[in-house]
Amino acid sequence: AQSVTQPDIHITVSEGASLELRCNYSYGATPYLFWYVQSPGQGLQLLLKYFSGDTLVQGIKGFEAEFKRSQSSFNLRKPSVHWSDAAEYFCGSAPHGSSNTGKLIFGQGTTLQVKP
Amino acid sequence: ETGVTQSPTHLIKTRGQQVTLRCSSQSGHNTVSWYQQALGQGPQFIFQYYREEENGRGNFPPRFSGLQFPNYSSELNVNALELDDSALYLCASSWHGDTQYFGPGTRLTVL
Repeated sequence: AQSVTQPDIHITVSEGASLELRCNYSYGATPYLFWYVQSPGQGLQLLLKYFSGDTLVQGIKGFEAEFKRSQSSFNLRKPSVHWSDAAEYFCGSAPHGSSNTGKLIFGQGTTLQVKP
Repeated sequence: ETGVTQSPTHLIKTRGQQVTLRCSSQSGHNTVSWYQQALGQGPQFIFQYYREEENGRGNFPPRFSGLQFPNYSSELNVNALELDDSALYLCASSWHGDTQYFGPGTRLTVL
């Protein structure tokens, strides 16, 4: 069965430091891959997505993610974290196919805390 | 362009009752998906509606049902509420086959 794993439940980084959030997926073929961010009490905002093509994907707010098929990973990175980046981050995947992008499987989420 | 909206924002029900949650799609979107997010968990896919028909369902019992209307708005209905149904319910809309965008959610508390 398809699954998404975010190994780090909670991460704390200092403001200005670099960030990497890990995501591993389990699926036979290459799925669609997404990263969303959720602020407390809010819905999910799309940061970036990977459907095919270039394995390094640029998103909003200075985030990027790299798809690595050999490692079944889609890790999210940011070179310099800002205090406003503190939030919950979710990695999601959906099976390839035009009707499937709305059937996301999410990981458990990673809570990012930013120290001043 | 109007984003995805959901109503109500918060709701308190008692066990055994029924509840209806509503979602208005983003302008131009024809597909709606519903998710349940329990506290401290990632969202779980409930079902998707496309052209007023259910188009895929997650591991949720039949007491979770939905509707999609001609204007692409949608309802989620939950019968015989259980304590474990307490969660944030998220609606997301998309143009069929493209990225989906989420609403702010409805917080349901079952007592």
